[in-house]
Amino acid sequence: DSGVTQTPKHLITATGQRVTLRCSPRSGDLSVYWYQQSLDQGLQFLIQYYNGEERAKGNILERFSAQQFPDLHSELNLSSLELGDSALYFCASSPQKLAGSPLHFGNGTRLTVT
Amino acid sequence: AQTVTQSQPEMSVQEAETVTLSCTYDTSESNYYLFWYKQPPSRQMILVIRQEAYKQQNATENRFSVNFQKAAKSFSLKISDSQLGDTAMYFCAFMNWGGGADGLTFGKGTHLIIQP
Repeated sequence: DSGVTQTPKHLITATGQRVTLRCSPRSGDLSVYWYQQSLDQGLQFLIQYYNGEERAKGNILERFSAQQFPDLHSELNLSSLELGDSALYFCASSPQKLAGSPLHFGNGTRLTVT
Repeated sequence: AQTVTQSQPEMSVQEAETVTLSCTYDTSESNYYLFWYKQPPSRQMILVIRQEAYKQQNATENRFSVNFQKAAKSFSLKISDSQLGDTAMYFCAFMNWGGGADGLTFGKGTHLIIQP
């Protein structure tokens, strides 16, 4: 068990809808990362938060947004969903107290857009 | 931007054999970190091993070891005495020296199958 909790495990929704994915990092970890894993694109970095502030952005669509709350949990909001958004979404956390701290991943949320 | 290349989409070996997974990367940085992650059918992402670029000594974790060739920008993973539970996708990943902003850049992965 990595200590990173993601909910829900599975999500099935229709095109055009909006969903929220939730992540609780490991105790003591200040950084949260979101990744999208699809068959054709592999693992793509979406966005990073550190102690409540956005720190880095990757290949995140404008229809997607995220935030990290004071208790350090994070939410990824996906709106105007398209079929191509179907993927496995991972959250990862790290302490970042030491450079090069490995990321610890949650079990992912499987999103299916129909 | 960094790129990570895993040239073997799939590999299959017999149980107890030794197998080496290849990874090359491209960066202009001199200091960075490299990782191997394992993703079994359960889809969890599990850290296998970590290497700091400024260390010449190759990292080892039990049956897992790396061959880090900095000049060649190569970072291969060797699995000794392979076990059925090693069947998984293996991802090579790169992290900047700057402490993890941008997170990890992953390769496309190698699907390793251990045959009984």
